[in-house]
This record gives sequence, structure tokens and C-alpha cells, in this order.
Amino acid sequence: AQKVTQAQTEISVVEKEDVTLDCVYETRDTTYYLFWYKQPPSGELVFLIRRNSFDEQNEISGRYSWNFQKSTSSFNFTITASQVVDSAVYFCALFRGSTLGRLYFGRGTQLTVWP
Amino acid sequence: DVKVTQSSRYLVKRTGEKVFLECVQDMDHENMFWYRQDPGLGLRLIYFSYDVKMKEKGDIPEGYSVSREKKERFSLILESASTNQTSMYLCASSPAGLSQETQYFGPGTRLLVL
Repeated sequence: AQKVTQAQTEISVVEKEDVTLDCVYETRDTTYYLFWYKQPPSGELVFLIRRNSFDEQNEISGRYSWNFQKSTSSFNFTITASQVVDSAVYFCALFRGSTLGRLYFGRGTQLTVWP
Repeated sequence: DVKVTQSSRYLVKRTGEKVFLECVQDMDHENMFWYRQDPGLGLRLIYFSYDVKMKEKGDIPEGYSVSREKKERFSLILESASTNQTSMYLCASSPAGLSQETQYFGPGTRLLVL
């Protein structure tokens, strides 16, 4: 069963627009971690953020921000004032505390930012 | 910085060939992983390993095998390549213990099987 859902397969925006990428997860564990990875056209997955299940504080890093809501099992990612360099595939992932080592990935959202 | 390297960025093979994809990490990580990435399907776990000579099946192990003879190296083997194994293959590693949840990825190998 799919444990991480990224309902948006593709999003296109024009530069300087704000964009939010949605992620909904499913787990019965009380301890877990959520991640966002970025995959630019070069192919390598770049780690962006890790959040544990006990920390629901939103986080901001430059133009990036993350909204973690346990009540809705969501971990959404917003890019403010998007730039062409933000064009990439973005993956949300779940690490369940009851498992050893493995991540469960969503299917990814292809973000294209047009100049 | 963690460095995960993969032996090839692009690879073209013929149906029926035996294919080896190599992955090396330089951070003394215990855990290593092989994923396959296909459009619309995201990353799917093929095999993973928690220690030398240990391996565990992931979600799609059929048609693949792995080898971990040394801690830093994790090989993915396609015993008899088929066209449906044309894909992007990504290797990752993570430490054991408290930080095991964060995986570090290599650049990927794009495999084309003709």
C-alpha cells in the first residue's frame, strides 16, 4: 500500500509565483520522520529537509518553507518567489520509526518554472 | 560531506547480458540501498543491505540480485537484462543508529536495455 501520496504529478508556474507542493502520508507509528528531496535534471537526489513526528513547528529556509500538520497527515512544501532553478522533481518520503533503514517515497511532483 | 558514487552515469546493454551496477560510499555507512526510478512511479526499493554480506529484498527484487562484500561497496546485478529493466537506478547510503533515517544518494545510472 502506498504510504506517501503526492497528488500533483506536474505543476507549472511562472517565475516569481509562489507554489505549494502537497504531501500526505499514512503511518500508524508514533515516531516517524518526513523528508523532502529535490531531483534536478542532473538526476541526483538532494536532501532538503527532515522533520520528526514530535516537531510540528513550521520551518523556513530562505525561499523554502514547510508546513507539517499531524491532524491532516500532511507535510507540504512551499517555494516563495519561484525561480527557474527550482525546476525539478520533488519527492516527499516517510521513514517509519518501527522499520530499519528504509524510506517510503511518494511518486514525485515535477515542478517547471517558466521565465 | 557524504559522497556516494556510481560507476556509470549512462549504460547501454543488450537483452540477455549480465549487468553490474556499482555503488561506493565513503562515509563508513552501514546501510546501503538500490532504487529504481520510473516516470510516474517514483522511487521503488529493489534491495537493501544493513551490513556486509547481508541483504534484504525491497518491493521489486525480481530479476535483480545484489552483492555486498565490502562495507563501502554495494553492487546491483541484472542476471539477464531485459528491456523492461530500462530505467534510472539510484544508490543510497545511511548510517546505522540514530541518524539512519537520512539517506544520501548517488548521481544515478541511466540504463538502456536494447
